[in-house]
Amino acid sequence: QSALTQPPSASGSPGQSVTISCTGSRGDIGTYNFVSWYQQHAGKAPKLIIHEVTERPSGVPDRFSGSKSGNTASLTVSGLQAEDEAVYHCSAYAGRDIVIFGGGTRLTVL
Amino acid sequence: QVQLQESGPGLVKPAETLSLTCTVSGYSISSGFYWGWIRQPQGKGLEWIGSIYHSGSVHYSPSLKSRVTISVDTSKNRFSLELKSVTADDTAVYFCARVYPVLQYFDPWGQGIVVTVSS
Repeated sequence: QSALTQPPSASGSPGQSVTISCTGSRGDIGTYNFVSWYQQHAGKAPKLIIHEVTERPSGVPDRFSGSKSGNTASLTVSGLQAEDEAVYHCSAYAGRDIVIFGGGTRLTVL
Repeated sequence: QVQLQESGPGLVKPAETLSLTCTVSGYSISSGFYWGWIRQPQGKGLEWIGSIYHSGSVHYSPSLKSRVTISVDTSKNRFSLELKSVTADDTAVYFCARVYPVLQYFDPWGQGIVVTVSS
């Protein structure tokens, strides 16, 4: 089971939309709808913002949305705000009780 | 409100065993869910280490399976991680988290504990 692939960085201006990709394989993202996304501010623990590809936990702004196509999942942040500057991690179920993560994407709000 | 708190030594010598504990408050481990360990080397991504159910059923990352033991103590509402024969590559922030079974997502997380492997 290989790690998921994320771009190391992404950026956007306040008010814009940014999409972060997370590429896996047929054995993980391509088979299971168990993709989740985490937001991690500097020096803090990760925080769940999306689970089961598209589901937002209570309290997470609807500016955050998730989707999936084939072996790639995506996180879109709409109406970028300064507080959205963080590292975003994706994870996926890879079968046989194994979970894998991506390398993380640093989002910069210009 | 569920809270998790990692504890243990912040410095471990090479070839020794790293031992950490995660104490859960606001929820009884015996009530369900899996409970997991995740680590993050400085400036790098997250790595799942393993997850355990209150019954003791446990799942490990294939890459760490030969060196890892995760156990649970329901009487103290906590679970533990042991990682044997550590090297500098095991230096990381170690997080514990509640794991939603089947759906396989982590929420909430502990604040994390920095563990450095060095002589």
